[in-house]
Amino acid sequence: AQTVTQSQPEMSVQEAETVTLSCTYDTSENNYYLFWYKQPPSRQMILVIRQEAYKQQNATENRFSVNFQKAAKSFSLKISDSQLGDTAMYFCAFTETTGTASKLTFGTGTRLQVTL
Amino acid sequence: EAQVTQNPRYLITVTGKKLTVTCSQNMNHEYMSWYRQDPGLGLRQIYYSMNVEVTDKGDVPEGYKVSRKEKRNFPLILESPSPNQTSLYFCASSLSIFLVTAQGDEQFFGPGTRLTVL
Repeated sequence: AQTVTQSQPEMSVQEAETVTLSCTYDTSENNYYLFWYKQPPSRQMILVIRQEAYKQQNATENRFSVNFQKAAKSFSLKISDSQLGDTAMYFCAFTETTGTASKLTFGTGTRLQVTL
Repeated sequence: EAQVTQNPRYLITVTGKKLTVTCSQNMNHEYMSWYRQDPGLGLRQIYYSMNVEVTDKGDVPEGYKVSRKEKRNFPLILESPSPNQTSLYFCASSLSIFLVTAQGDEQFFGPGTRLTVL
């Protein structure tokens, strides 16, 4: 069974600084996708960034980038130039692309606080 | 506007009183799913549906029922709610059963339903 582990329950970063959130996963599949979701106080689940396992190039979306290490099964999220609006719970998630149906397997989340 | 809607957004009920949380999407998506979110556990899948009249259990299906009579709707039914079902519930949908086939074809989440069972 696939598992996703986020070992940092809480993190804090000052505004304009850079922070990295960690995520590791376990799977025997070769084709899969990884995601980072943001959940602000409004509780809405917002897709931040996605990575296809077959792509070696790390995904980037503006201030958000990932460090995808397939052999190590690691998928960390880097937030550059942190803003107060980045304060949220961040979930790492995984889905495989084979089989008859798919689901997102989530980590337990990292609560990020951006401070002045 | 493309969206997934859930109703109600908040619900407080008592043990044993049947309830239904509705979910509707306007994107003609095939795949729909229910998750529950609990502190320290992340989101866990309850049930999913690959298309009309096709549903299957996720990781934590006990105490829940679903139905998919129409493509756009996927209600979650708690026949006899218990306090351990107090949680935040999310409905989600995607175009493909594989969740991702192209850029932008990801899983869309509803706004969540906060359920408290006393």
